[in-house]
Amino acid sequence: NAGVTQTPKFRILKIGQSMTLQCTQDMNHNYMYWYRQDPGMGLKLIYYSVGAGITDKGEVPNGYNVSRSTTEDFPLRLELAAPSQTSVYFCASGADGRGDEQFFGPGTRLTVL
Amino acid sequence: GIQVEQSPPDLILQEGANSTLRCNFSDSVNNLQWFHQNPWGQLINLFYIPSGTKQNGRLSATTVATERYSLLYISSSQTTDSGVYFCAVGPYDYKLSFGAGTTVTVRA
Repeated sequence: NAGVTQTPKFRILKIGQSMTLQCTQDMNHNYMYWYRQDPGMGLKLIYYSVGAGITDKGEVPNGYNVSRSTTEDFPLRLELAAPSQTSVYFCASGADGRGDEQFFGPGTRLTVL
Repeated sequence: GIQVEQSPPDLILQEGANSTLRCNFSDSVNNLQWFHQNPWGQLINLFYIPSGTKQNGRLSATTVATERYSLLYISSSQTTDSGVYFCAVGPYDYKLSFGAGTTVTVRA
């Protein structure tokens, strides 16, 4: 099993550009999550999904969109990149929602200039 | 939302020393995990421990859910233990709340 994979590893965007961060898991997990980590801080939840076709907002959803058309994939879309979105983005997955271990991908480091 | 406080914020150790990291949380939890973030930024799961005690090599963890705290013990520290240790908790839903982390530096 590859676990949770994310692409790209690094990306530099100009203000106003758009991009999609890809996340795929091969563990057949129902639950998937997107977090962001700002320098020197812990992670904050952006969006999550409890299964294909179902998504919901986390703590910091503004400026982002997600979709979940399959169990495996959970892409995160940035429509109009802003410097405040400079961060490291982590995708995670878990088999069950309540009280279940979450497994994290390697992260995508995004810089918006 | 649930509040998570980790202490100390920074810890400098000499190789071979033992240490204890603490995580306090403000409400009942159904999920508690400890992570190590390595110098390359990757989050490595150390323990899934909403209650009880677990050990894995030189690391062990204890969660006392009724008193709303968890402890991570590092024994005989090595330079490879350096990094940031995060505690993350989930109340009775599936959203994890992270603490600010403890930065550990182990000197040779």
